[in-house]
Amino acid sequence: DAGVTQSPTHLIKTRGQQVTLRCSPKSGHDTVSWYQQALGQGPQFIFQYYEEEERQRGNFPDRFSGHQFPNYSSELNVNALLLGDSALYLCASSFGDSGANVLTFGAGSRLTVL
Amino acid sequence: RKEVEQDPGPFNVPEGATVAFNCTYSNSASQSFFWYRQDCRKEPKLLMSVYSSGNEDGRFTAQLNRASQYISLLIRDSKLSDSATYLCVVNGGYGQNFVFGPGTRLSVLP
Repeated sequence: DAGVTQSPTHLIKTRGQQVTLRCSPKSGHDTVSWYQQALGQGPQFIFQYYEEEERQRGNFPDRFSGHQFPNYSSELNVNALLLGDSALYLCASSFGDSGANVLTFGAGSRLTVL
Repeated sequence: RKEVEQDPGPFNVPEGATVAFNCTYSNSASQSFFWYRQDCRKEPKLLMSVYSSGNEDGRFTAQLNRASQYISLLIRDSKLSDSATYLCVVNGGYGQNFVFGPGTRLSVLP
């Protein structure tokens, strides 16, 4: 049973560039949430996708956008990268959007912005 | 005030010690509560859900006090393998997202 898979695992970009991160949810899960985790901090909620729609959004600028595909996989796009965007980006999947079901995380994509 | 706050840590304890972590949350309407464990440079993994009546899983005991908006995690007989960051997680219910605390780092020393 495949868990949550994310790609790429590591990437380096320069300021002003754009990045796309990808996530495949755990089998049986239909909801994908994205989190940003800076070094030494807890994960910060970016947004959640359910039924191909953004259902909730955290306190992140419009430079952060996403998409969910019919097969439940998801992408996170970040435009006009800033140094402060350097972080571990975590994708988490769950079943339904009730909030009662636990999150299963992928190993993350570590982004470095130079 | 942050939505979820935790003991700042780090906690450095000898093997075999008992250690307790505390967490408070600000949203009184919160419905679901969890403890996640995160090893260095790895993803968070569910340690245990926290139920109103309190629950135990082996050496781990979680307690919830809704009136005080307080959650705790007790680890008994600490093992070297318990060294990790422990994240308190709260969910506000239907249509709400999971909010993570900043985490408390535990180092169990030989």
